This record gives sequence, structure tokens and C-alpha cells, in this order.
Amino acid sequence: DTEVTQTPKHLVMGMTNKKSLKCEQHMGHRAMYWYKQKAKKPPELMFVYSYEKLSINESVPSRFSPECPNSSLLNLHLHALQPEDSALYLCASSQDPSYEQFFGPGTRLTVL
Amino acid sequence: GIQVEQSPPDLILQEGANSTLRCNFSDSVNNLQWFHQNPWGQLINLFYIPSGTKQNGRLSATTVATERYSLLYISSSQTTDSGVYFCAPNDYKLSFGAGTTVTVRA
Repeated sequence: DTEVTQTPKHLVMGMTNKKSLKCEQHMGHRAMYWYKQKAKKPPELMFVYSYEKLSINESVPSRFSPECPNSSLLNLHLHALQPEDSALYLCASSQDPSYEQFFGPGTRLTVL
Repeated sequence: GIQVEQSPPDLILQEGANSTLRCNFSDSVNNLQWFHQNPWGQLINLFYIPSGTKQNGRLSATTVATERYSLLYISSSQTTDSGVYFCAPNDYKLSFGAGTTVTVRA
């Protein structure tokens, strides 16, 4: 099973709201990732967790806060977002950071 | 980070045609992935190919790591092949190219 699940599929939020995106995998992978993708652009890496520890933060603003409660779950907490943060947020996982990555279907986020 | 160039940026094909997509990258890498992104945004794994040639149905890929390029071949294209194809070399993290947008017309 090479499935990564993400919830919700769509999210609309105001600039003062707090919301969370959730990602789950049951492949026993030890690396998990958050990417952001704007329309007609490639995915951009935001965060990497390796063995449940944050190993890469690509200078992401603090209004995005990742959390890895266990090896199967990855959350992205959102607070005080801006309209320009509207994008497709993709989660991925891999056995190890240098191995093949598998992506979830994404969450389409709209910030009003 | 690794610089990735994909060509061509756009490709329009008649159903049944063959095509080649190219990916050049600037440095040595641990591995390389090819993805197809469908209109709903799902990134579908096509190949995990650090070197050599692999085939999967009508698709095949070749990576020549020493010369820092990879090729994706689509044969007998179908309308369902439409979408964006991304190449992503990995040197501990994926570096995506800008993609090739493929449109297959019936």
C-alpha cells in the first residue's frame, strides 16, 4: 500500500482563523514532508521530518507550524494566514529522506 | 540547491504520437523521480530512477547520472496522458523542475 492520506480536501479560512491540515501514512516510512504548490508552479518544500524530528525548515513563516505526533502522522497548524498563502498543500512520505517519495492528494487552501 | 531544467515547457500531441521529455540537472544526485500531476493536483509516481533505463507500459525513462540528465518517453500517447510532468532529482531533498505541460488531443 503506497497511500498517503490528507484531510481536509478543501479548506476556506479567514485571516484570523486557526486551522490544521492532517497527513497520515501507514507504510512505515520515517520521513514526512510538507510542500506548498501555487497554480502553474512546481511544489516547493516547506518542512521535512526525519524520524519524528524536524530536520529541514525552508525559512517558512511562523504562521505555519508543523507537528509530528508520531511516525505515521504529520500536521500543519495554520494561524493568521494571508491571502497569498492560498495554495495546494501537499504531504509526502518516504522510507528515508533519500528514498522515493509518495504524495498525498493535497489540501486546497483558500484564505479570504 | 540543485538547478533543474525541463524541456519543452509545453507539448501538444495528437493521440497516438510519441514524445520525449528532457530533464537536465546541475549536480550529482542520490536518485531522481518523474511524476505526472493530473488535473486534480495528484502527483503520481512514474519512475524512481537514479540511473539506467526503466519501462512501465507505454512509458519509459532513462537517467544518465554522469551526464546529469534524464529522459521520459511517452509512446502511443492517450488523452489520459495529459497533465504536467515533473522531474525531481534528490540530493537529500527533492528539487522540482518547472514541469512540462502535455496536452494530448483526440
